[in-house]
Amino acid sequence: AQSVTQLDSQVPVFEEAPVELRCNYSSSVSVYLFWYVQYPNQGLQLLLKYLSGSTLVKGINGFEAEFNKSQTSFHLRKPSVHISDTAEYFCAVSARNSGNTPLVFGKGTRLSVIA
Amino acid sequence: DVKVTQSSRYLVKRTGEKVFLECVQDMDHENMFWYRQDPGLGLRLIYFSYDVKMKEKGDIPEGYSVSREKKERFSLILESASTNQTSMYLCASSLVRDRSSPNYGYTFGSGTRLTVV
Repeated sequence: AQSVTQLDSQVPVFEEAPVELRCNYSSSVSVYLFWYVQYPNQGLQLLLKYLSGSTLVKGINGFEAEFNKSQTSFHLRKPSVHISDTAEYFCAVSARNSGNTPLVFGKGTRLSVIA
Repeated sequence: DVKVTQSSRYLVKRTGEKVFLECVQDMDHENMFWYRQDPGLGLRLIYFSYDVKMKEKGDIPEGYSVSREKKERFSLILESASTNQTSMYLCASSLVRDRSSPNYGYTFGSGTRLTVV
């Protein structure tokens, strides 16, 4: 079984400052990793994913994440945030060894960008 | 683009009613999932299905059942709605044979916000 821990439930940050949202996972098998964003009153939108290859993954809206297998982490970063980045962010994993595996989510991190 | 459509955006039901939440996907995905989203708890898996008439319990199946009679449709059923089932419900789907491709992923519907009064 897999589990995901998002280490911060809320992250306030000033506009144009950098931000890092932390995600650690636990799994006995290899995993795929995902970050989703949910804007107020909207559904989930995929930000980026790690399937294989380069451990630094670039996504939409200037976000990137780095897969660190030894630390079982997949932290999300953005060098300069905008007001429009205010949203809830979810880290998720799925097992690589099965085609019929659900996503397991963390509890989310609420990013608030302050003008 | 793959679309996952949830039939209702908002729903208000009374305690004890039988409630059906419908989800339809249009790209022949084998897997379909129902999640429940609550503030501070993230998304929790209720049930999933990897084929027609097949279902697997997730982390919180109590009080829910599901039906998958056709590949494209996955229904979540609240047999007797209770106030603690007031929540946002999200449906998702994924394609098994995509797992080795860069396109692999899960597609989510827009969600149904259910209020039980």
